[in-house]
Amino acid sequence: GAVVSQHPSRVICKSGTSVKIECRSLDFQATTMFWYRQFPKQSLMLMATSNEGSKATYEQGVEKDKFLINHASLTLSTLTVTSAHPEDSSFYICSAVQTSGDTEAFFGQGTRLTVV
Amino acid sequence: LAKTTQPISMDSYEGQEVNITCSHNNIATNDYITWYQQFPSQGPRFIIQGYKTKVTNEVASLFIPADRKSSTLSLPRVSLSDTAVYYCLVRIYNQGGKLIFGQGTELSVKP
Repeated sequence: GAVVSQHPSRVICKSGTSVKIECRSLDFQATTMFWYRQFPKQSLMLMATSNEGSKATYEQGVEKDKFLINHASLTLSTLTVTSAHPEDSSFYICSAVQTSGDTEAFFGQGTRLTVV
Repeated sequence: LAKTTQPISMDSYEGQEVNITCSHNNIATNDYITWYQQFPSQGPRFIIQGYKTKVTNEVASLFIPADRKSSTLSLPRVSLSDTAVYYCLVRIYNQGGKLIFGQGTELSVKP
């Protein structure tokens, strides 16, 4: 299947700093990418839909100024957690769908963010 | 997007067949039924997808009755490495890969 790569796989940052997470589709073009957050022992929660060349669409309750999403190319979307706080510590996962046709969503391996 | 309901957890033993049933009573005409597997600290991995009747691939089978209000994921002869969380989702055909995850079923395979 298609490969979606996230970087970094884990990151530790200090409170008040910003962290950028990259999501790349390695062998296909993705018009749309999705960002999820998952807390321990819980399901994935959709945060936002990222469309190449346009503003992201955020789910209700997700602060767009705190979670900045950029989808500058058909193979790369980034999520920046701004002014991170310990409660932002979570597992962040992206997924991508191929531009053409109707196929399943491919998920990245996730990024473990710890804010200290 | 149709809401799904599935058991929170299931236990099984190595070599047994495991069937996980999911209900999706308000599934729409254009919705597909999709199942994903997730191991701890990893992203979900696609298992199988279907629209109606039966779909089979190298790892699982998916049974969907005529009314499509439920579906059953069948894992033949599970092993310890099949211990994971299994998510049942529905998605609208040709409208992107937006998936809303339910609680999932935590499958524990014992020796």
